[in-house]
Amino acid sequence: GQQLNQSPQSMFIQEGEDVSMNCTSSSIFNTWLWYKQDPGEGPVLLIALYKAGELTSNGRLTAQFGITRKDSFLNISASIPSDVGIYFCAGRNAGGTSYGKLTFGQGTILTVHP
Amino acid sequence: GAVVSQHPSRVICKSGTSVKIECRSLDFQATTMFWYRQFPKKSLMLMATSNEGSKATYEQGVEKDKFLINHASLTLSTLTVTSAHPEDSSFYICSAFLAGGINEQFFGPGTRLTVL
Repeated sequence: GQQLNQSPQSMFIQEGEDVSMNCTSSSIFNTWLWYKQDPGEGPVLLIALYKAGELTSNGRLTAQFGITRKDSFLNISASIPSDVGIYFCAGRNAGGTSYGKLTFGQGTILTVHP
Repeated sequence: GAVVSQHPSRVICKSGTSVKIECRSLDFQATTMFWYRQFPKKSLMLMATSNEGSKATYEQGVEKDKFLINHASLTLSTLTVTSAHPEDSSFYICSAFLAGGINEQFFGPGTRLTVL
């Protein structure tokens, strides 16, 4: 089946630093999504990307849909303590019997030191 | 908008009992809901796709008789863990698919199941 490789697995940074994480896939996706999960909570959608090459921002977050449709990255600028959590990428194919199903990356655990 | 709730948030039960977890889309109708299982510091593993008015579609390796899914209305799906055992202890998360426009999954807050 499809697999997403997300890296890095974890990051320890100082407040104010920028963060970058990425996902690569063995196959093509039509949609790339980035979620954040706080401890004991469900994932919350941060950014959705629908077109190859698309670059989208949400506040201090910026994500891009790779041209090859097999990768995506998420950048967080000027990190703050509340950015702590697990970040997941997810890919989706359109249509067919798997409509709506997501494939998740392994997650990036982000720790921000004040 | 697009709020999904889960009940209960935490449940502790004895081995051999059955536990029901509810997933509700509060402000939209969802013909499709998904059930995931998550181990500590691990990714979400899709268990099954729940379709309103029809049988759920289970992922490979997930026992359908062990994890019963019912999607009786456009706003409610339930997951019943039957004859629970300690290895069923996990964080269970549902999502509801908001189609027509947004076309994305919105996740519930999760249910922590502990089987003694």
